[in-house]
Amino acid sequence: DTAVSQTPKYLVTQMGNDKSIKCEQNLGHDTMYWYKQDSKKFLKIMFSYNNKELIINETVPNRFSPKSPDKAHLNLHINSLELGDSAVYFCASSLNGLNTGELFFGEGSRLTVL
Amino acid sequence: AQSVTQLDSQVPVFEEAPVELRCNYSSSVSVYLFWYVQYPNQGLQLLLKYLSGSTLVKSINGFEAEFNKSQTSFHLRKPSVHISDTAEYFCAVTNTNAGKSTFGDGTTLTVKP
Repeated sequence: DTAVSQTPKYLVTQMGNDKSIKCEQNLGHDTMYWYKQDSKKFLKIMFSYNNKELIINETVPNRFSPKSPDKAHLNLHINSLELGDSAVYFCASSLNGLNTGELFFGEGSRLTVL
Repeated sequence: AQSVTQLDSQVPVFEEAPVELRCNYSSSVSVYLFWYVQYPNQGLQLLLKYLSGSTLVKSINGFEAEFNKSQTSFHLRKPSVHISDTAEYFCAVTNTNAGKSTFGDGTTLTVKP
């Protein structure tokens, strides 16, 4: 029973297209995150939601729009895809926004923009 | 502001040798400290964490890390590595007030037979 699940696992698309990645957690956590891991494996936070409310919004282009319909789901929509968006996107969750415990990560969604 | 520096980007070792992966951090406030491991084509998973109390923390698979406040370090060690320990290791710090995590750039541990 997967704790944090993301779909799709792989995305290959053309520049200029729009794509979405979905994330669901069944841990009962209040806080969810999107992280971007580039080809050098550097990991950067993009967004964080606590109980459906945006609490962290790093310097991310407006083409990226997160949506949290409820606290168990956090989706990421990307408009007008660019080559530089190619990366692995990880969803994660934690018990609460204070993050005194661990982050639970999904398996990642590998986006390739051609 | 907080930052994490992992001093070695790649660490190749032979099986059964000891290993140390170094992590230094800087922060103007108290932090929690974490080590995560990422096996190929997988997400990150927690290896061990320091929140408070004893400065030496251990994982179930033989890794340990020691929080050194004066040197602002949280180095990861294992006395004898296995091939299966080959992975990417990330050090992370979390601001105890704001809850935001910052990750280091990762260390690739490659264990050779």
